[in-house]
Amino acid sequence: AQSVTQLGSHVSVSEGALVLLRCNYSSSVPPYLFWYVQYPNQGLQLLLKYTTGATLVKGINGFEAEFKKSETSFHLTKPSAHMSDAAEYFCAVSDRAGGYNKLIFGAGTRLAVHP
Amino acid sequence: NAGVTQTPKFQVLKTGQSMTLQCAQDMNHEYMSWYRQDPGMGLRLIHYSVGAGITDQGEVPNGYNVSRSTTEDFPLRLLSAAPSQTSVYFCASSTPPGELFFGEGSRLTVL
Repeated sequence: AQSVTQLGSHVSVSEGALVLLRCNYSSSVPPYLFWYVQYPNQGLQLLLKYTTGATLVKGINGFEAEFKKSETSFHLTKPSAHMSDAAEYFCAVSDRAGGYNKLIFGAGTRLAVHP
Repeated sequence: NAGVTQTPKFQVLKTGQSMTLQCAQDMNHEYMSWYRQDPGMGLRLIHYSVGAGITDQGEVPNGYNVSRSTTEDFPLRLLSAAPSQTSVYFCASSTPPGELFFGEGSRLTVL
């Protein structure tokens, strides 16, 4: 069965610093991978996704992630953090065998950005 | 477009009561799902549907019931509420592969 592990439930960075949020997955079939963001009191919205093709994926708001099959990782990065990036971030893997819309989420990483 | 609409946004129940969380989408998506969000546990899939008349269980289906009579609507029923069902519930619809569109959530407290 698929699973997702997000390392670090809380990450704090300074404004302008590099953002790195870690995600490792397990999957018995080639995965589809996603990052979602949740702002306070809102639902989740898609940041970026990897399905096939290029392993470096660019998303909204300057975020990107790289699929590394050998490391079973899909870490999320942003070169320079903004105050508006403060939110909770969720990594997810799709269960292709069960229908690719069935997503399994990690526990989430809350990102704090301080001046 | 309204997207995914959930009602109610807040609800307080007593143990043993039943209720229905409503979810409607206007994007003509075939796939819909319900998740619950609890601190430190991310989102866990309760039930999902791949089209009208077809539903299936997710990771945590016990105590919940769903039906899908139309493409637009996917209500979630709590049969006999328990304090362990205190949570924030999210409905989502999606286009393949896996781009989920979430509602704003329904916060449920069971006393």
